[in-house]
Amino acid sequence: NAGVTQTPKFQVLKTGQSMTLQCAQDMNHEYMSWYRQDPGMGLRLIHYSVGAGITDQGEVPNGYNVSRSTTEDFPLRLLSAAPSQTSVYFCASSYSVGYSGNTIYFGEGSWLTVV
Amino acid sequence: AQKITQTQPGMFVQEKEAVTLDCTYDTSDQSYGLFWYKQPSSGEMIFLIYQGSYDEQNATEGRYSLNFQKARKSANLVISASQLGDSAMYFCAMREALEYGNKLVFGAGTILRVKS
Repeated sequence: NAGVTQTPKFQVLKTGQSMTLQCAQDMNHEYMSWYRQDPGMGLRLIHYSVGAGITDQGEVPNGYNVSRSTTEDFPLRLLSAAPSQTSVYFCASSYSVGYSGNTIYFGEGSWLTVV
Repeated sequence: AQKITQTQPGMFVQEKEAVTLDCTYDTSDQSYGLFWYKQPSSGEMIFLIYQGSYDEQNATEGRYSLNFQKARKSANLVISASQLGDSAMYFCAMREALEYGNKLVFGAGTILRVKS
C-alpha cells in the first residue's frame, strides 16, 4: 500500500468523544475517499473528494465530517463518537476521478472501537 | 443503484487445486469496471484484478483470472493452484459513477480457506 498512509491504526474511544483519522498520500492524486468496513457488508463510502476544497457525501456520511485543504491530506473527523461507528476505516486515493485498472490505492486501515 | 452479490459466505479448497469465487452484478450502465480485492487477516486491501466492460478478453494476472460473462452479469474470480497464503477474504467490487466522481460498490465478501 505504498503512498497512502493512515493513522492511527488502532483507536479506542468513549461514546461522545471526538477524534480525527488522518490520511495522507504523496502521489499527487486528486481523488481521495473514506470507506468503512462492517461484517457482512463489504466497504461503504463515507465521504469523498475530487480535489482540494471539494468534498461530497457518500452513502453513509452521518456522524462524519471531512475537509480537503491540500491535495495530500484528507482527514476524517468523528464529531461525537457512537458505538455504531465501531468499524474498520479505509482511505483510498486515485490519480483521476475515473477509476480504472489498478489505479486505486488503499491505506492499511484504521480499527476504531467506540465503547 | 448498482449492486454486487457474492453468494458464497465461505469456501474451502485443497492446496494446489483451483477455486472459483462467484460474483454477480447489477447495473444499467454500459461502461463499468469490475475489481477483485483480497483482504488477508492483517486487514489491508490488496488489488488482484480488473475487468473493463468493453474488454473483449478475460483479465488475467498470474494465478488469478476473471471469468467475465457480460450477458449473465457475472465476474467470477478463478484462482489456480491454490496456496495456503491465499486464505483470506475476497471482495468483488464495481465502479459506480457519482455526481463528481466515482466510487466502488463492494459485495459482502467470500472467506476462502485453503487446506493442506
